[in-house]
Amino acid sequence: EVQVVESGGGLVQPGRSLRLSCVASGFTFEEYAMHWVRQAPGKGPEWVSGIGWNSVSIVYADSVKGRFTISRDNAKNSLSLQMNSLGPEDTAIYYCAKDERRYSTIWGPFDCWGLGTLVTVSS
Amino acid sequence: SYELTQPFSVSVALGQTARITCGGNNIGDKNVHWYQQKPGQAPVLLIYRDINRPSGIPDRFSGSNSGNTATLTISRAQAGDEADYYCQVWDATVVFGGGTKLTVL
Repeated sequence: EVQVVESGGGLVQPGRSLRLSCVASGFTFEEYAMHWVRQAPGKGPEWVSGIGWNSVSIVYADSVKGRFTISRDNAKNSLSLQMNSLGPEDTAIYYCAKDERRYSTIWGPFDCWGLGTLVTVSS
Repeated sequence: SYELTQPFSVSVALGQTARITCGGNNIGDKNVHWYQQKPGQAPVLLIYRDINRPSGIPDRFSGSNSGNTATLTISRAQAGDEADYYCQVWDATVVFGGGTKLTVL
């Protein structure tokens, strides 16, 4: 079964950092681009960042550029998101999502999503 | 940056056909993907590259894309189709539409 599972969310104070992780199974992780998508309470999904299968292509949304860093470890089937300088606007459920096509350079669609991990930024 | 415009809400009578639009500049030149999200759940891929359905998605769901509008069509609407629907494209970044809440009356 194709599956991704996120972890690392929690309550964090403004200005602090948090690191999210995602572990994948059921597919050849190293062949697929991976993404983080977040969803603030009552809002639609917002794509945060994506990383190509070989980590060469990395793109961030303007809203997180310079604060968040995406990375992957293909040997461990894992994806990470380092989030620094967090603010209340970063409060959301963060989803790990798998790209649908192998070796894709045009990203999307996302055919596998995790259950998400909740990040709450508040003092 | 590229923007996708969806109606905030759409209503459909049980058993009838619902159409949810996604507007964007020359969106017909792009591949459009659609997701369904029910409360408390992650989005699920419904239609990809305009017209294709992943395995397990009923053929009541179909898509089209031309000009400045992509459309998700839900035939024979069921109560279980009540959900939020999002379109998505690639335009140097991943772009989601604002979402449409479907109500089945």
